[in-house]
Formats: sequence, structure tokens, C-alpha cells
Amino acid sequence: GAVVSQHPSRVICKSGTSVKIECRSLDFQATTMFWYRQFPKKSLMLMATSNEGSKATYEQGVEKDKFLINHASLTLSTLTVTSAHPEDSSFYICSARAPRGPSGNTIYFGEGSWLTVV
Amino acid sequence: AQTVTQSQPEMSVQEAETVTLSCTYDTSESDYYLFWYKQPPSRQMILVIRQEAYKQQNATENRFSVNFQKAAKSFSLKISDSQLGDAAMYFCAYRSSMNYGGSQGNLIFGKGTKLSVKP
Repeated sequence: GAVVSQHPSRVICKSGTSVKIECRSLDFQATTMFWYRQFPKKSLMLMATSNEGSKATYEQGVEKDKFLINHASLTLSTLTVTSAHPEDSSFYICSARAPRGPSGNTIYFGEGSWLTVV
Repeated sequence: AQTVTQSQPEMSVQEAETVTLSCTYDTSESDYYLFWYKQPPSRQMILVIRQEAYKQQNATENRFSVNFQKAAKSFSLKISDSQLGDAAMYFCAYRSSMNYGGSQGNLIFGKGTKLSVKP
């Protein structure tokens, strides 16, 4: 089946620095990728939709300048947490929508990234 | 706006027994997709099963099957012959078949049901 890879799986950064998380679709081209945040024992909260070649669409309440999303190619989207603060510590998950076909319209998830800001 | 409700925060099942997880949703659309995802302690989201709303036949994947009741907007997951490896959080999710602006039909999740399997 379709595979989505996310890197790094765990990252610790100092408060005030920036950290980048990558999301790659390994065996299909994804024009659309999604970035979620999951708080402990909670469901996934959509942060933004990443569209290849255009600006990301952010959900209400998500700071665009803090969570920079770049979808530079059909297989890569990146999420950069700028000027990170301890409250940004969380589990971030990306997903990508498979193109039409047997897996069409199915969304596959990356392994997730644990971000800890100290 | 669409919503997904999972009314069972936690469920428990004996190994080899059958368990059903409930999910209801609200939508005004007629065409959409429904999914069950499993999230084990590793946090990896794993697709368990999917259902297209236009299909009347309930989806089945090995030990996993759904009871899709479109009129009632219900989409329950049945796990047969439960195994220890089935223990995880299970999320029901909805996706529109239409694209709205830039969202491109993202998944809308329920709050999840934590399934425990007793040996």
C-alpha cells in the first residue's frame, strides 16, 4: 500500500529556535498533504492543508507565521515550527491523499513526530 | 459542518471474542467516505477499513467489518476473533467527496475509542 514517511520521529529543541519536520510520500505523488497536531489522549486536530505549488490553507486559530508549511514538490511537504515555545511541544502527524486508483481517496499517515521544546 | 461522534471512550474485549465500536456522524452530503483508523501506542495511524457512502454493501477486511447504516448515519466497526495486537485507539473518520476551497476534503475525526484486549 501507499507509504508516507515522516522525519524526524523525535526532536528536542531549545525554546526560541526553529525546527523542521518533513513529510514524504514514497510511492505516489501527493498534490495535497495534511498536517495534524495531536495532544495527549486527544484526537487529531487539523492544522493546515498543504497544496503543491501554492500556499497552504490554515485552519482557524493556527498561526501561519508560526507554523510554516512548504509543499515544494509532489512528494514532499515540510512543517517548520518557528520560534518554538514549550507549549508547542506535541505530536505532529502528516498525511497524504493517494491519487485515483485502488487506493484512491484514501489518506495515508506518516509515523508522526514528537516535538519537545525545552 | 460535518461532525463525527464516538460515544465509547473505552471498550474492553476478551481475546478471541467479538467487539463492536460505535460511530455516528452528521452531514448533509450524500456522497462521502468513512474510515476507521487504528492508532497503537507507537502512534502510527493505520487504516483499518474504508467505506464509500454510495456503496450499500458493508466493507470487510479479514476480521474487521463495518455496519454502515446511511439513513441512520451510523458506521460501527466489528472486530471478530479479537487479538492482543488489536489493542489500540480507534478513530472513526469522515471525508467529503467534494473539495471545499483549499481543504481538499480533509478527514474529520471522532474523539476515539480506546480498546483493551484481555488475554
